[in-house]
Amino acid sequence: QKEVEQNSGPLSVPEGAIASLNCTYSDRVSQSFFWYRQYSGKSPELIMSIYSNGDKEDGRFTAQLNKASQYVSLLIRDSQPSDSATYLCAVKSGGSNYKLTFGKGTLLTVNP
Amino acid sequence: DAEITQSPRHKITETGRQVTLACHQTWNHNNMFWYRQDLGHGLRLIHYSYGVQDTNKGEVSDGYSVSRSNTEDLPLTLESAASSQTSVYFCASSGPGGRDGELFFGEGSRLTVL
Repeated sequence: QKEVEQNSGPLSVPEGAIASLNCTYSDRVSQSFFWYRQYSGKSPELIMSIYSNGDKEDGRFTAQLNKASQYVSLLIRDSQPSDSATYLCAVKSGGSNYKLTFGKGTLLTVNP
Repeated sequence: DAEITQSPRHKITETGRQVTLACHQTWNHNNMFWYRQDLGHGLRLIHYSYGVQDTNKGEVSDGYSVSRSNTEDLPLTLESAASSQTSVYFCASSGPGGRDGELFFGEGSRLTVL
């Protein structure tokens, strides 16, 4: 059973701070990693993807990957109240016919 | 605009009844998925399909079935609903043209089994 682990939170940060979300995975051959954001009562949406070791930046979001440690993280800089949501880590298996295994998600609250 | 729709959005049923949740997408995606989401468990894969006539079991498939007779639809059937199947169900699809690893989710169907 491939597992994806996340701290459930809640993680609470003040507005303007950096929020750090963490994820570990069990399948060593996994190559593709994703972060989805889910607002309360809504469906998940993809916000970041990362495939290589190191950092990938997109606006206020930075994804970090360390395959040796089987660890993925998401940093949100200058956190805003609108960033308050559950963040789901997902790991891809398969090629063009793929499926995603999701972690349980971390609830982030950004306080004004 | 292309979209993915689920129906019904809310349903209350009784233990032992058969229930079907509909999922329809207009992206012409080959890959379609059903997940359930429960507090403390996150999103768990129930069934998935890579194309017409193809179906596969996910990690929590017991008590559920799907069929894929065309590209657009993947209905999820609960043969005999149980209280443990009370959950929010999400249908999703993926295919060429989207970002790698991007699933497009429907709005969800909240099912309550009494």
